[in-house]
Amino acid sequence: DAGITQSPRHKVTETGTPVTLRCHQTENHRYMYWYRQDPGHGLRLIHYSYGVKDTDKGEVSDGYSVSRSKTEDFLLTLESATSSQTSVYFCAISESHPNQPQHFGDGTRLSIL
Amino acid sequence: AQSVAQPEDQVNVAEGNPLTVKCTYSVSGNPYLFWYVQYPNRGLQFLLKYITGDNLVKGSYGFEAEFNKSQTSFHLKKPSALVSDSALYFCAVRDMGNTPLVFGKGTRLSVIA
Repeated sequence: DAGITQSPRHKVTETGTPVTLRCHQTENHRYMYWYRQDPGHGLRLIHYSYGVKDTDKGEVSDGYSVSRSKTEDFLLTLESATSSQTSVYFCAISESHPNQPQHFGDGTRLSIL
Repeated sequence: AQSVAQPEDQVNVAEGNPLTVKCTYSVSGNPYLFWYVQYPNRGLQFLLKYITGDNLVKGSYGFEAEFNKSQTSFHLKKPSALVSDSALYFCAVRDMGNTPLVFGKGTRLSVIA
């Protein structure tokens, strides 16, 4: 398995609080991604990074921000959590060439009450 | 814009029978196509990919997929299903640029003993 660690694995918090999820990789891959998985929607891209300090928005970026200060770490922040952001969040990594697959972490289950 | 459709939310098959999980795609140029599998409480695992060349691609755990350019399809197949194949399957596509993968909504496969 690719060396991807997501933390925390589970979190319960209240509406309006800030939340930060961390993705750490040991593969030195250039690309990192954050997805959310919801029933009936599959996986939807939130943000992705193509290098240190280089990020771009995905399909469902509203209410989320990201940072990548080191190759190995990609942080996802919910500035003020809402109940609609209750979901399972997955981090993925990939090498530079587009024919390479993305590899996924085991996810963070986030519940916002 | 690229997109993926998995027309079946659920596929049921008897153990030992062949299985097919359907996927159709839309991209502006030549596609990179991928299949992933997800087991409960785990991240997505890469099964196989089509980049170019032979239309029949072989992957992990005895799975294969057939690329059909005229029908813009990339169906996942296995000659003889196992109960342990029961999982959620995702098809994904990207175009020739290094854009993030776009995923279908997933198909739940149930193999019945």
